[in-house]
Amino acid sequence: GAGVSQSPRYKVAKRGQDVALRCDPISGHVSLFWYQQALGQGPEFLTYFQNEAQLDKSGLPSDRFFAERPEGSVSTLKIQRTQQEDSAVYLCASSYTGLSTGELFFGEGSRLTVL
Amino acid sequence: GDSVTQMEGPVTLSEEAFLTINCTYTATGYPSLFWYVQYPGEGLQLLLKATKADDKGSNKGFEATYRKETTSFHLEKGSVQVSDSAVYFCALSHNDYKLSFGAGTTVTVRA
Repeated sequence: GAGVSQSPRYKVAKRGQDVALRCDPISGHVSLFWYQQALGQGPEFLTYFQNEAQLDKSGLPSDRFFAERPEGSVSTLKIQRTQQEDSAVYLCASSYTGLSTGELFFGEGSRLTVL
Repeated sequence: GDSVTQMEGPVTLSEEAFLTINCTYTATGYPSLFWYVQYPGEGLQLLLKATKADDKGSNKGFEATYRKETTSFHLEKGSVQVSDSAVYFCALSHNDYKLSFGAGTTVTVRA
């Protein structure tokens, strides 16, 4: 597709369940980013990949959050034992290079609601 | 740490009105500054950016000037259209991958 694609668009999970969110970046984009956006707030950085290498995971809020990009293309954000505070929109973005030389292209996000 | 504060919304305007959304930042050094926009049903997209002091970013009739002395990057448009209705986010970055966003300002333009 032409843009960044995320799935599922909406996910409702019971507290304690594991969830997996998928991101298909724009073809050929080297850099991939995950952000978390709580209701009424701006996006907050979670993690960054360059190809398959996870270069920064400093924004992941706990060890229940895990992200991977094994072949340098599709990425998955996994949240184990979900908690109510995990409810948010999870945004994926990709870039051909990095932010300094190119813009980030965002997907529409995956909205997670934890009951 | 870095932070971005932007004008609280929502903002409601009539077509052809003048729009200003204030944005100020706290950061060390000389970050790059951005405005991203999210139209209904779409992902965030870059509207404009400025990488050094006194630079002016512009796109689609919107402008913002990087003011180091006031640590500001206010967004302006002289005559808004209904199609400008969206959520606008101010953001900064020190490096080439990590953006710090403001909370967003919802703008509604009435015909």
